[in-house]
Amino acid sequence: RKEVEQDPGPFNVPEGATVAFNCTYSNSASQSFFWYRQDCRKEPKLLMSVYSSGNEDGRFTAQLNRASQYISLLIRDSKLSDSATYLCVVMPMGTGRRALTFGSGTRLQVQP
Amino acid sequence: ETGVTQSPTHLIKTRGQQVTLRCSSQSGHNTVSWYQQALGQGPQFIFQYYREEENGRGNFPPRFSGLQFPNYSSELNVNALELDDSALYLCASSLGAGQSSYEQYFGPGTRLTVT
Repeated sequence: RKEVEQDPGPFNVPEGATVAFNCTYSNSASQSFFWYRQDCRKEPKLLMSVYSSGNEDGRFTAQLNRASQYISLLIRDSKLSDSATYLCVVMPMGTGRRALTFGSGTRLQVQP
Repeated sequence: ETGVTQSPTHLIKTRGQQVTLRCSSQSGHNTVSWYQQALGQGPQFIFQYYREEENGRGNFPPRFSGLQFPNYSSELNVNALELDDSALYLCASSLGAGQSSYEQYFGPGTRLTVT
């Protein structure tokens, strides 16, 4: 079983739609959680850190459920520029190193 | 822009050769992590350097080695290249302490092709 699992998609949605991505992680000792966005053949870019209470940044809302080991990302009012791969990322606790563990990503295609 | 730079951007090598990739971290960051990203996969952790010392290693063989310099820039060396080493190599910089140190910022990557 992979440490971080995501639906690979693609999710094809019209402009203005609301779309949600889910992610599950297997290491219950994971300490920190993130969503990164990656455009084709580019580097991952930090989209949001995910906090236990949930957090929002403009059109983006991230939620964490530690009991179910589940992270979500909600994008409202989708724009064409949101088309990308969204990577769910966790960082385990207690190893002394801050190594990110990535899911394989969920591809989003926003259509006009 | 993250301020993290990597060189070269692209590289073609032959199986069995050796390669060195370079990374300059963001100003003020003392930690550099290296990742390998194969096509269609998420990045995989190779190792991390903090204040010039290796601070953890992923599931990669010893022919993957690294260095960090006093200015916190870093090198990734790969010996005896194999075809499966073809990938995008990413370096990420972060602070070494505090809550914000968990956030890592990536450079543009080096795309390595082994033939």
